[in-house]
Amino acid sequence: ETGVTQTPRHLVMGMTNKKSLKCEQHLGHNAMYWYKQSAKKPLELMFVYNFKEQTENNSVPSRFSPECPNSSHLFLHLHTLQPEDSALYLCASSFYDQTSYEQYFGPGTRLTVT
Amino acid sequence: AQSVSQHNHHVILSEAASLELGCNYSYGGTVNLFWYVQYPGQHLQLLLKYFSGDPLVKGIKGFEAEFIKSKFSFNLRKPSVQWSDTAEYFCAVRTDSWGKLQFGAGTQVVVTP
Repeated sequence: ETGVTQTPRHLVMGMTNKKSLKCEQHLGHNAMYWYKQSAKKPLELMFVYNFKEQTENNSVPSRFSPECPNSSHLFLHLHTLQPEDSALYLCASSFYDQTSYEQYFGPGTRLTVT
Repeated sequence: AQSVSQHNHHVILSEAASLELGCNYSYGGTVNLFWYVQYPGQHLQLLLKYFSGDPLVKGIKGFEAEFIKSKFSFNLRKPSVQWSDTAEYFCAVRTDSWGKLQFGAGTQVVVTP
């Protein structure tokens, strides 16, 4: 399934590195989301963009910086991360303001911070 | 604060057994409810959803869920599981008009042959 793609699928980075996660959706949606999935914890919503505007920043540390250049692409820029930031980062997309919408998820990027 | 609770973190059962996973939420207004499934190595997929109407909704792969408003519950059921149902199951609730989802912690289901 190629509706929502994420690259890279795996990433190992040191605490002083800078890297970026990329998400692309091919579904014509106009809202995109970043989630963090840690073991044994609920998915945590990090950021929401609709119509390219950020509408939600769920108290995420500034070492995570999102970018949404258009409604099909979403980036998560990472710098000076901590080991506790190791997790699966999921991107999702949906239609905004639809009564029967659902979110479609990408496969995720498995991030390990060393 | 709004929350979504899934009662079991791990469930192990044999093929052909019946499955029921509990989900409760704390929100007094209008909600939309979802069950997502994550098979090993795969991405989250929607199993079923409830928006309005018949509180008993049917999804893919023989799953169904019942919305009981008075109990703030949306339990997932399958009468006879298969080995291929081994996965992690997530309940999610939407309370905002623009679609923010709140997820439960997930239930890992293992079906033994």
